[in-house]
Amino acid sequence: AQTVTQSQPEMSVQEAETVTLSCTYDTSENNYYLFWYKQPPSRQMILVIRQEAYKQQNATENRFSVNFQKAAKSFSLKISDSQLGDTAMYFCAFMRNPTNNAGNMLTFGGGTRLMVKP
Amino acid sequence: DAGVIQSPRHEVTEMGQEVTLRCKPISGHDYLFWYRQTMMRGLELLIYFNNNVPIDDSGMPEDRFSAKMPNASFSTLKIQPSEPRDSAVYFCASLRLDYMNEQFFGPGTRLTVL
Repeated sequence: AQTVTQSQPEMSVQEAETVTLSCTYDTSENNYYLFWYKQPPSRQMILVIRQEAYKQQNATENRFSVNFQKAAKSFSLKISDSQLGDTAMYFCAFMRNPTNNAGNMLTFGGGTRLMVKP
Repeated sequence: DAGVIQSPRHEVTEMGQEVTLRCKPISGHDYLFWYRQTMMRGLELLIYFNNNVPIDDSGMPEDRFSAKMPNASFSTLKIQPSEPRDSAVYFCASLRLDYMNEQFFGPGTRLTVL
C-alpha cells in the first residue's frame, strides 16, 4: 500500500516571501502521479499542481513549483511571492498508474496548514 | 460545466437516523469517488466506481455504510443507522481518464450526527 507523509503540520510565511512544503511517499510502483491540492477555509479541494513520475522535469504553475526527487521519493511544493489568498491547508496526494481499474484513487498526506501573514 | 455537485451542503441529524448524501459527477467522467475527511483520520477513500460499477469498497467503515451509482450522473452514499463518530465532511470526486488524470472535487457535505 502507498503512504504519503507531510511532516509539517503547520507553517507560516510573510507575504511576498517564499515557502516550501515537504512531502514524502512510499511506493513500489515505477509509474505514478503526484498532486498538490489546496483546501481554503471554504473547504473546496483545488488542484494546485501535478507531476508525472516518468517526467524528469519539475512541474511549474505560475508561482507554484515542485521539487520532485524520484529516488528519494520526495515531492515538495514551493510557493513563491506568497499571497494572503494562499492561506489554506495543502495536501500532497499520490495516484498509482491510472491505466488500470485498481489505481485511480488518491492517497493523501495528513496536510500542512499554511498561514500567509501580512 | 457546473462541476461536481453535492447535496446537501450541511446535514445535522440525530444518532440512529438514516442519512443520504448525493453526488452528481461531471458529465463524461467515468470514475466517481467518495472520500471522508476528519481531523483524526484526514482524507480517506471510502469507495469508488468505474462506469457505475463499484471497484473498491474496502474503505467503507462498516455495514452501516452503503453506496450506489444507478446511472452515470448520480450517486448516493447512505449511512443507516448514523452514529456521532460518522460526523465528518464527505467529498465526492469524479475523473475522466486522460493525460490529465485530475480528480475534480465537489464542495463536500458537512455531516453532524448528534
